[in-house]
Amino acid sequence: AQTVTQSQPEMSVQEAETVTLSCTYDTSESNYYLFWYKQPPSRQMILVIRQEAYKQQNATENRFSVNFQKAAKSFSLKISDSQLGDTAMYFCGDSGGSNYKLTFGKGTLLTVNP
Amino acid sequence: DTGVSQDPRHKITKRGQNVTFRCDPISEHNRLYWYRQTLGQGPEFLTYFQNEAQLEKSRLLSDRFSAERPKGSFSTLEIQRTEQGDSAMYLCASSQTNNEQFFGPGTRLTVL
Repeated sequence: AQTVTQSQPEMSVQEAETVTLSCTYDTSESNYYLFWYKQPPSRQMILVIRQEAYKQQNATENRFSVNFQKAAKSFSLKISDSQLGDTAMYFCGDSGGSNYKLTFGKGTLLTVNP
Repeated sequence: DTGVSQDPRHKITKRGQNVTFRCDPISEHNRLYWYRQTLGQGPEFLTYFQNEAQLEKSRLLSDRFSAERPKGSFSTLEIQRTEQGDSAMYLCASSQTNNEQFFGPGTRLTVL
């Protein structure tokens, strides 16, 4: 069974600062993706960043980057220059197998303070 | 086409009633997924379609739940004899092969 653990239920950061959200996963799949989605209040899920597990280079998307440690099964998200619009629930997860269904963690509520 | 749409956005029903939700995926996306999200939790997988074929169902999907995707386009999720434990947000997502899944806004179900 696939499990994803996000150990930080809530975090806060000051605007313009950097914050790191933690995530560990456990999958039996050999080919899989890892991802972070954000869910702003009362809005739909949006993909923040995705990493193919076979790639060693960490994925980056503008202010968002990941630290992928395959052996440790760790996949943390770093948000640089935090903005008020980054306030949201962030879900880490993995996707694999023939159907690529997503398995999510319980989420981390990030609040960016002015 | 602006994305995945779901209808209705909110549904309030009494216990024991049947409800049906609709999802319209992004056109040309051959994969469609249904997830359920309860308060304070991440979404949990319910079922998956590739084109019109339902290829996987979660054990969360009891026999009161049924999903269809006729002609590989829109999909419906029906819950029969609703229970209070069915109250949740029901999310639909679509993708092209194994690429990014795009989510709809969800249908929030409240069972009284």
